[in-house]
Amino acid sequence: AQSVTQPDIHITVSEGASLELRCNYSYGATPYLFWYVQSPGQGLQLLLKYFSGDTLVQGIKGFEAEFKRSQSSFNLRKPSVHWSDAAEYFCAVGPPFIIQGAQKLVFGQGTRLTINP
Amino acid sequence: KAGVTQTPRYLIKTRGQQVTLSCSPISGHRSVSWYQQTPGQGLQFLFEYFSETQRNKGNFPGRFSGRQFSNSRSEMNVSTLELGDSALYLCASSRTSGQDTGELFFGEGSRLTVL
Repeated sequence: AQSVTQPDIHITVSEGASLELRCNYSYGATPYLFWYVQSPGQGLQLLLKYFSGDTLVQGIKGFEAEFKRSQSSFNLRKPSVHWSDAAEYFCAVGPPFIIQGAQKLVFGQGTRLTINP
Repeated sequence: KAGVTQTPRYLIKTRGQQVTLSCSPISGHRSVSWYQQTPGQGLQFLFEYFSETQRNKGNFPGRFSGRQFSNSRSEMNVSTLELGDSALYLCASSRTSGQDTGELFFGEGSRLTVL
């Protein structure tokens, strides 16, 4: 069965500190991989995605993620967090092909990030 | 360009009632999918539509249904509402060819409260 595990439910870091959010997945093949961010009362915004190619992907807001096939992981990193990064972060996986244009994602439970001033 | 638009943003219903939520995808996006988000279960896939056809359905009871119109707009309906249906319902659209195929763009959601 397809699944995504985000081991950390809640993380607190100080402003300016580095950040790493963990994501592990279980899938039959190398899936499409995504990180989304959600601010309170808002929808999901895509931070970055991995489809194929370079395993280190750059996203918006200074985020990056590294795909490690051997570890089935897709961890999100940021070298220096800002207070505005406080939000909930979701890792998601999708099938590595498009069935007639449709796409279905399986999400992790999310990691809530708190920033200390 | 305009994003995914969901209406209404907030609504309150009572048990036993039904509700219809609407989603207008990004112009040119032909695939629309729906997700339910609750604190306990997280984000769960409801169903997805492409060319007015339901392509995939998640593990939800038959009270949850949806449809897609020829202009790609979509609606979902929940009948005989239960307290546990209180959730944020998120709609997402995606391209079916070209750049960004496979990437979901989400609306801000419709927050349903069932009393």
